[in-house]
Parts: sequence; C-alpha cells; structure tokens
Amino acid sequence: QVQLVQSGAEVKKPGASVKVSCKASGYTFTSYYMHWVRQAPGQGLEWMGIINPSGGSTSYAQKFQGRVTMTRDTSTSTVYMELSSLRSEDTAVYYCAREVSLDYWGQGTLVTVSS
Amino acid sequence: SYVLTQPPSVSVAPGKTARITCGGNNIGSKSVHWYQQKPGQAPVLVVYDDSDRPSGIPERFSGSNSGNTATLTISRVEAGDEADYYCQVWDSSSDPLCVFGGGTKLTVL
Repeated sequence: QVQLVQSGAEVKKPGASVKVSCKASGYTFTSYYMHWVRQAPGQGLEWMGIINPSGGSTSYAQKFQGRVTMTRDTSTSTVYMELSSLRSEDTAVYYCAREVSLDYWGQGTLVTVSS
Repeated sequence: SYVLTQPPSVSVAPGKTARITCGGNNIGSKSVHWYQQKPGQAPVLVVYDDSDRPSGIPERFSGSNSGNTATLTISRVEAGDEADYYCQVWDSSSDPLCVFGGGTKLTVL
C-alpha cells in the first residue's frame, strides 16, 4: 500500500533553516510528482511547490521562491523540502502529497519557529 | 492568481444532504479535487476530477462542476462526516500552480 512517512517535529529559531523529509513506499517512486503543502495553526492549506522525482525538476510558488528547495534521493525514495530564513509565520504543519490530485498524503511535520 | 471561494461553514442534520460549493472564474473548465480533513489529521482525497471517487470513499460523496461553481454533495450525512472540506484546482497559467479554496467547516447538527 502507498505510504508517505515524514520526519519528526522540529523547533527552530528565526533565521534558521529546516529540512523535512518524506519517504515513499508502495509504488514506483519516480512515476509520480510530489507536492509540499503547509497549514498554519487554524488556517487553510497552502501549496508550496512540486518536484518531479524522476528528473528532479521543481516548480515553486512565487511566495516561497528563493527560500525553498525541494530535492529527492531516488536510492531511498525520499523527497526533501528545505525552507530557509525562517520566521514566526512559517510555524505550520508541512505535508508531502503525491500526484496532481494529491491522492496520498504524509502524516505531516510540525515546524515551530520561535525565539 | 486564481481564487477559489468556499463558504466558511455549512450545517446539516444527520441523514440529510450537504452541499459545499467552490466558486471560481470559469471553474467548469478545470478539474476540481475535494479533500476532507478531520482535526489533527492529514487531508484525505474524497473526490477527484470533478466527480470521481477514490477507492474506499463511500458513494454518498459526489461532485459536480459547471460554469463558475463546483459542488461537493454528501448524501445521508453521518456524524463522522463532520470535518473541514477543501476544493483544489491546478492552473498552469497562474501562480501558484495549485490553488486551494479557503475551506468549509461541515457541522452535523
């Protein structure tokens, strides 16, 4: 069965960076795009960007351009999302989700940015 | 950027039908996906490509899309359907490419 397992919660100081991982299993990793979506406390869903695990190409929402980097490791079927220059407004649960229709989601990773 | 508009809340009695709308400019020309999110959980896809259901999603969940409005319909509503619901489209001519509605809180009375 398809599973997306994310790394654990993180606490970071303003200005730091965070790198969240998402390990895929149960399907051919390189055959499906992967999205990253975040959700601030009590708020809605916000799309950050997408990566093609096959070639590694990416597309980011303009809001995050210059601060976000999405990468993948095909040897471990894992995608990564790194967000830099963190500020308090980046406190959120970060999700990976598969394919155009986001048919499978990771369990979420809480990133807390606090001094 | 492309904007999707959902009502903040919808209330319905058990056994009745709930309809959650998602408004967008000519949304009928796009494929709409719907997600259910319960507190503390990741979203779950309940309808994709306007009206298709993933395996395991009850037939009570259905969707339609025409003109400027897409609709998620939940028939014979149960207490377990209480959740936040989000619509989503992919718009290759917009930023961001993937757009979510603001979400609708479904309350089962």
